[in-house]
Amino acid sequence: DVKVTQSSRYLVKRTGEKVFLECVQDMDHENMFWYRQDPGLGLRLIYFSYDVKMKEKGDIPEGYSVSREKKERFSLILESASTNQTSMYLCASTEQGSSGANVLTFGAGSRLTVL
Amino acid sequence: AQSVTQPDIHITVSEGASLELRCNYSYGATPYLFWYVQSPGQGLQLLLKYFSGDTLVQGIKGFEAEFKRSQSSFNLRKPSVHWSDAAEYFCAVGPGTYKYIFGTGTRLKVLA
Repeated sequence: DVKVTQSSRYLVKRTGEKVFLECVQDMDHENMFWYRQDPGLGLRLIYFSYDVKMKEKGDIPEGYSVSREKKERFSLILESASTNQTSMYLCASTEQGSSGANVLTFGAGSRLTVL
Repeated sequence: AQSVTQPDIHITVSEGASLELRCNYSYGATPYLFWYVQSPGQGLQLLLKYFSGDTLVQGIKGFEAEFKRSQSSFNLRKPSVHWSDAAEYFCAVGPGTYKYIFGTGTRLKVLA
């Protein structure tokens, strides 16, 4: 089975801190995603990456950046955390394939609280 | 605009009762449709998917869903709910390799 591992399950940070959320997948998937999950809003795409060093903005990229230096690792960076970034962050990956036919495999999530 | 609507935010059923979770989508072409389940504190797990062919698809844990093009719906069903089914359920549309649109979720509570 594909495994997507998010190293930090729970984080508490202070406003203005730089935050790194790490995600690693072990099935050589080309595509990786970062979503934000908030009650009543479902999942919103922050960024995705379709190859090493390649990234595209999703629906809510403001306040976030990403890094993909290796195929298996996709990092989400909050340059200066704010309280409105308190949320659950979900990483996912899919293999390259026919359009729309790929299944997202999710990590367990990282719950971030910004004080 | 492309969208997925899950009209029920919360649903409560008794254990052993049948379940139907509603999902409607708006999309300009044939969609790829998914149902995911999220247990408390966990990530999302795929229940089932529809790409083409038979419009009634079977998934894991005894779930099934039916694609109805005329109604733009992809409702999830289970004939007899178990207490372990209590979770949040998300419907999603995959119109492209990178762009997946999720509904806002339905939280299922199961009464003993």
